[in-house]
Amino acid sequence: AQKITQTQPGMFVQEKEAVTLDCTYDTSDQSYGLFWYKQPSSGEMIFLIYQGSYDEQNATEGRYSLNFQKARKSANLVISASQLGDSAMYFCAMDNYGQNFVFGPGTRLSVLP
Amino acid sequence: EAGVTQFPSHSVIEKGQTVTLRCDPISGHDNLYWYRRVMGKEIKFLLHFVKESKQDESGMPNNRFLAERTGGTYSTLKVQPAELEDSGVYFCASSQDARSATEAFFGQGTRLTVV
Repeated sequence: AQKITQTQPGMFVQEKEAVTLDCTYDTSDQSYGLFWYKQPSSGEMIFLIYQGSYDEQNATEGRYSLNFQKARKSANLVISASQLGDSAMYFCAMDNYGQNFVFGPGTRLSVLP
Repeated sequence: EAGVTQFPSHSVIEKGQTVTLRCDPISGHDNLYWYRRVMGKEIKFLLHFVKESKQDESGMPNNRFLAERTGGTYSTLKVQPAELEDSGVYFCASSQDARSATEAFFGQGTRLTVV
């Protein structure tokens, strides 16, 4: 069964600094996708970035990048130049293409002024 | 401790029929959220319960969707009548305190297919 682990319940970062949110996953599938979502206090889930298991290059989307290390089964999210508006819950998730979609427990990021 | 459970895991219904999805949050969690993944990467917020009250239902697409959480425990999401575009995976999540929770837990989802 698929499983996502996020070992950091809460993280603090100074504004304008970079921060890495950890995510490790467990799956026996060869094809899968990894996602990161941001959940502000409103409850909505905002898609941030996606990495396919066969993608050779790490995904990047603006200030977000995904540090994908397949052999270690990790997919850490890196946020560069943190902003106050980045304060939110962040969820790592994995999809084995139609069969299961699994979320991690989330990391609460607080950006300090 | 049991996690968030959703029932059924899969449902295939015909257009025009009614389907009721159920979510059992983690015991003691006041906050319960419903989301829908239609395709691809987007996950749409549907609504948020705090105990039995609807805190925010701005994401409910139309009046064919009705969510309830009687007694502040489990929640149901009814779609009546179902349309083809309602197909997708419906997720439920729960947390203790929406403002300060450091963990939120998602169910495995209910895959709804409307044919």
